[in-house]
Amino acid sequence: KQEVTQIPAALSVPEGENLVLNCSFTDSAIYNLQWFRQDPGKGLTSLLLIQSSQREQTSGRLNASLDKSSGRSTLYIAASQPGDSATYLCAVYRVGGGADGLTFGKGTHLIIQP
Amino acid sequence: GAGVSQSPRYKVAKRGQDVALRCDPISGHVSLFWYQQALGQGPEFLTYFQNEAQLDKSGLPSDRFFAERPEGSVSTLKIQRTQQEDSAVYLCASSFNPLAVGYTFGSGTRLTVV
Repeated sequence: KQEVTQIPAALSVPEGENLVLNCSFTDSAIYNLQWFRQDPGKGLTSLLLIQSSQREQTSGRLNASLDKSSGRSTLYIAASQPGDSATYLCAVYRVGGGADGLTFGKGTHLIIQP
Repeated sequence: GAGVSQSPRYKVAKRGQDVALRCDPISGHVSLFWYQQALGQGPEFLTYFQNEAQLDKSGLPSDRFFAERPEGSVSTLKIQRTQQEDSAVYLCASSFNPLAVGYTFGSGTRLTVV
């Protein structure tokens, strides 16, 4: 069974710092990996989608990388801002997943201090 | 519509009461998923529809949970005889092509059973 682990579980840093969130998964047979942001009491907002044939995706200050062979992905946030404070969730869509769809990690709770 | 819409936004139910949660996916999205998210956890898969067909319901925690999508668009998740452990956020997601473009999530319904 696919398991997704996110480290750290929580992170608090001063504004302006660059930071890295980590995601690992046990079964490397995946179709794609998706990073989401979740604000308190809200649903999930998709940030970046990396297909299994890709190594990275970039959107603004965000960069996500994928190493399928080692079962790892990282989300890099440059020049962090207080508005980046949220929970960041990593999810994988496994090959042959059928209806099982996405398997999520528990998330990294990020606080950016003004 | 422009996004995935879920209603109600919040629901408080007395233990033993039946509840119905609604999801309006993005028009044209074939795939629809329901997830359950407990406090401090990542979303957990409940069930999946492709059009009106429920292809997998293996994630439903008990036979008190029932989901339907009779016309291949709007879906309803029904929970009978609610218990306190059913308290969670219920998220709906839809996609036109999950492998290519990933999922779009709604804002969720927060269910509290008292």
